[in-house]
Amino acid sequence: GESVGLHLPTLSVQEGDNSIINCAYSNSASDYFIWYKQESGKGPQFIIDIRSNMDKRQGQRVTVLLNKTVKHLSLQIAATQPGDSAVYFCAERLGGSYIPTFGRGTSLIVHP
Amino acid sequence: DTEVTQTPKHLVMGMTNKKSLKCEQHMGHRAMYWYKQKAKKPPELMFVYSYEKLSINESVPSRFSPECPNSSLLNLHLHALQPEDSALYLCASSQEGEPYNSPLHFGNGTRLTVT
Repeated sequence: GESVGLHLPTLSVQEGDNSIINCAYSNSASDYFIWYKQESGKGPQFIIDIRSNMDKRQGQRVTVLLNKTVKHLSLQIAATQPGDSAVYFCAERLGGSYIPTFGRGTSLIVHP
Repeated sequence: DTEVTQTPKHLVMGMTNKKSLKCEQHMGHRAMYWYKQKAKKPPELMFVYSYEKLSINESVPSRFSPECPNSSLLNLHLHALQPEDSALYLCASSQEGEPYNSPLHFGNGTRLTVT
């Protein structure tokens, strides 16, 4: 069953600040990485992805950074808004596979 | 709104009931997935269908029975479930065969409660 009191890592920020959510991935053979946003009562929503032959990719207000040396992925959100409050999951995919493995998740709370 | 539609949104069932969860996508995706998600946890893969054939079963108990009637539809048949099976059940789809730039697209899930 579920563990009582289990909590997600949480990041609390003020509206307008920049947010950085970090993720350590496990497999050096992973070649594709994805960030998902999951709001309460909804399914995970694709935000941005990056291939392993890149170290940075930018979207609208979001940037993903990939450091393969230390197997680290980060999601930067510029000018964070209350609507950005959600749980954020990173996912990695092994080369040749189309099935991602999800990380633990981070809860982002944006205070007005 | 998501392009993957799941019904029902909520389901309460007893341990002796038989029910089905339904999922539909019209993006032309040929891979479809069932995930189970407990509160405050990441989604856990249950089944994968590729070109309407079951390609992955992650050692899921037989009280969960998936079905893929056609390339747009995915069902999950439920029978004799246990209270610990209560969770959010997510359906997803993707363009199999394109290893890059093909993230999973999720529905909003069915919140299942087993009493």
